[in-house]
Amino acid sequence: NAGVTQTPKFQVLKTGQSMTLQCAQDMNHNSMYWYRQDPGMGLRLIYYSASEGTTDKGEVPNGYNVSRLNKREFSLRLESAAPSQTSVYSCASSLIRDTEAFFGQGTRLTVV
Amino acid sequence: DAKTTQPNSMESNEEEPVHLPCNHSTISGTDYIHWYRQLPSQGPEYVIHGLTSNVNNRMASLAIAEDRKSSTLILHRATLRDAAVYYCILREQTGANNLFFGTGTRLTVIP
Repeated sequence: NAGVTQTPKFQVLKTGQSMTLQCAQDMNHNSMYWYRQDPGMGLRLIYYSASEGTTDKGEVPNGYNVSRLNKREFSLRLESAAPSQTSVYSCASSLIRDTEAFFGQGTRLTVV
Repeated sequence: DAKTTQPNSMESNEEEPVHLPCNHSTISGTDYIHWYRQLPSQGPEYVIHGLTSNVNNRMASLAIAEDRKSSTLILHRATLRDAAVYYCILREQTGANNLFFGTGTRLTVIP
């Protein structure tokens, strides 16, 4: 059982470049989340998708867009990367409210 | 949004019990208390969660104060593999159903 899979694991971008981070889960979960993790700040929610076909902003959505392609996949796009977006990005999913969330291994993104 | 307060770091000797405290004085009546941990270079991992009653599972126990303003994660016998950052999180029951992470407690286990 793969759980939550994120690709790529590492990425270096130049300022202004765009890229899409991929996330897929094989647990038939309804809810999916994208977080960023910066030193000393814990994880902060960027966007979430409560169910297939819906997406909503979290705490820090500026500079990002998301797509819930189907029930399994939830992608995060940076249209024009900035150095302030250097971070570790984590994708998570959960079945319903009040149940545990499963996290991917993370994507370490550096914008130079 | 409700927030949690945890000590930045704690140490424990191997095979001794560990009590990790968490304060959440602004918790709402429907917020669940979740604990996750993050090992180096890995994503967060679920440990345990509860609402009002104490909870036990194979990894740990969760003791929740009667007024729900604080809780304690108990690792009964710390091992070197338990060295991680432990996050006490309140999970909202509306909107995003988000997990609000703080900065967590870094647990060091001494052999």
